[in-house]
Amino acid sequence: LAKTTQPVSMDSYEGQEVNITCSHNNIATNDYITWYQQFPSQGPRFIIQGYKTKVTNEVASLFIPADRKSSTLSLPRVSLSDTAVYYCLVGNQAGTALIFGKGTTLSVSS
Amino acid sequence: DADVTQTPRNRITKTGKRIMLECSQTKGHDRMYWYRQDPGLGLRLIYYSFDVKDINKGEISDGYSVSRQAQAKFSLSLESAIPNQTALYFCATSDKDTAVNGYTFGSGTRLTVV
Repeated sequence: LAKTTQPVSMDSYEGQEVNITCSHNNIATNDYITWYQQFPSQGPRFIIQGYKTKVTNEVASLFIPADRKSSTLSLPRVSLSDTAVYYCLVGNQAGTALIFGKGTTLSVSS
Repeated sequence: DADVTQTPRNRITKTGKRIMLECSQTKGHDRMYWYRQDPGLGLRLIYYSFDVKDINKGEISDGYSVSRQAQAKFSLSLESAIPNQTALYFCATSDKDTAVNGYTFGSGTRLTVV
């Protein structure tokens, strides 16, 4: 399973765009990249996945460069309610269970 | 009702006691997982099951056992609880396209071993 590296924490203010980058240098050809959001005392919630280029949904955008060795989760105009831990996972459906790292704690202030 | 239900939500138990955490799901997913979360350590995989007859160890299986009683039920047991097993435990499910469709997590069980 590809190991991922993300910043431990990030701070932002309401209304700003936040970009969280995840490094996964040994990603395999058939691996997908997924991101989860976790609020305190709740289970993680799947927010976005991608394989290459750019993916956008109602919550976030995911940017994946051509070499796929990193990915960036972009949260537009964050609010206080976006304060959470964000996890980057890399893996494929045929393999073993996905491994969560320590995630990135995003703190949004007013 | 929640898609993934964990019981109990909170539990305090004594060192040396046997305790079982239960998980049931209505998603119809074949795959089920148990994770443990400790402050600052993220989520760590304990055990997982890809179908009723399949059980696999995760990163930190020592001191734990599991039972997959049916497609919808996956229980985690601590045969002899110890204080360093105090943590927040999560059950999750997925279909076979995990990497694309993601996991669905339960609300967690907060376990305290005294």
